[in-house]
Amino acid sequence: DTGVSQDPRHKITKRGQNVTFRCDPISEHNRLYWYRQTLGQGPEFLTYFQNEAQLEKSRLLSDRFSAERPKGSFSTLEIQRTEQGDSAMYLCASSLVPYNEQFFGPGTRLTVL
Amino acid sequence: GNSVTQMEGPVTLSEEAFLTINCTYTATGYPSLFWYVQYPGEGLQLLLKATKADDKGSNKGFEATYRKETTSFHLEKGSVQVSDSAVYFCALSRSGGSYIPTFGRGTSLIVHP
Repeated sequence: DTGVSQDPRHKITKRGQNVTFRCDPISEHNRLYWYRQTLGQGPEFLTYFQNEAQLEKSRLLSDRFSAERPKGSFSTLEIQRTEQGDSAMYLCASSLVPYNEQFFGPGTRLTVL
Repeated sequence: GNSVTQMEGPVTLSEEAFLTINCTYTATGYPSLFWYVQYPGEGLQLLLKATKADDKGSNKGFEATYRKETTSFHLEKGSVQVSDSAVYFCALSRSGGSYIPTFGRGTSLIVHP
């Protein structure tokens, strides 16, 4: 399968714990995006990378959230000191400049107890 | 700022019925417009897109026309199938280089045999 993959697919954690998610984009894609999706809502942009550079962060991305893409390939999204309000589906997407079509992964569903 | 408004669901239809899902938008500049589909347990997939006024996007029997005068991008299909049951998201992307989309809340479509 050469699509976007995300790991894990589901994560249950206790409030206050740290969690890390991984996204592997389509191999030749140079842009990678993270989104958060809550029930009954569309995805909300969090941040994006072009190669290894993080070019934009949403105001939704509090200082407890950090994302990296160290070698311009896979990316990680870490949430520190999780809160119940962080419970959501975290989506990753990738694209190839100059095309604006984004290809989405299946998402990681986070539940904070 | 940019925003997308979709009709609320669920939309429930019988197989072979005609489908319309309304979408209107507010944007500065000249955005591109998209429809994405999300099947249960899967990530979003691009269904169709239009990049300028009066463009018609089409795919898998679905169509939508970019109407600048009414700021709309309604999704239509002449004859729906059970397999079309999914959540449909209307989105726009900013003009400029980041291509970050703004999504609507999604409309759930349920097609009965």
